[in-house]
Amino acid sequence: DTGVSQDPRHKITKRGQNVTFRCDPISEHNRLYWYRQTLGQGPEFLTYFQNEAQLEKSRLLSDRFSAERPKGSFSTLEIQRTEQGDSAMYLCASSHQNSGLYNEQFFGPGTRLTVL
Amino acid sequence: QKEVEQNSGPLSVPEGAIASLNCTYSDRGSQSFFWYRQYSGKSPELIMSIYSNGDKEDGRFTAQLNKASQYVSLLIRDSQPSDSATYLCAVTVTGGGNKLTFGTGTQLKVEL
Repeated sequence: DTGVSQDPRHKITKRGQNVTFRCDPISEHNRLYWYRQTLGQGPEFLTYFQNEAQLEKSRLLSDRFSAERPKGSFSTLEIQRTEQGDSAMYLCASSHQNSGLYNEQFFGPGTRLTVL
Repeated sequence: QKEVEQNSGPLSVPEGAIASLNCTYSDRGSQSFFWYRQYSGKSPELIMSIYSNGDKEDGRFTAQLNKASQYVSLLIRDSQPSDSATYLCAVTVTGGGNKLTFGTGTQLKVEL
């Protein structure tokens, strides 16, 4: 399977706990994005990496959220002190810098987070 | 005003008909435009990309872009029940850091 992979696919946690999600992009893609999607809404941008550099973070991203991509390959998204409002599908996407004007982004299967 | 607007639907079409999905955007700096298909409980799947005015065809799908009127549409010919899904319109904006800005999606139902 050469697509974007995410782990875990589902996570149930109690309010106040920390959670960490992993994303492995398509192997030759150097750009990696995190989005969040709630029911009835389109995905909402959270943050974006080019290689290992985090180039943009959404103003909506609270300081409880942190993302890393230490070697420019896989990325992790950590949420500290989870709240019920964090319940959502967390989506990872990747693209290649040299894909031209399109910069087509391909999504992984997502991690569904439920905070009780 | 939302940056990307779509009618939430549901849009119901009979099998074999043409489904027409529309999207408007507010930022004239929008550069590239995408249509994603999303089945219930699944992640978005890219089906069409367009950045020049006019039509772009791929199989049963045609994307249409009109930058002067700030709209982009998706036509699905010979609609099949398997096309029943939510269709998300997304744009990237010049200087927007390559991020996608999505509409809320239009639910399409293809009826037998």
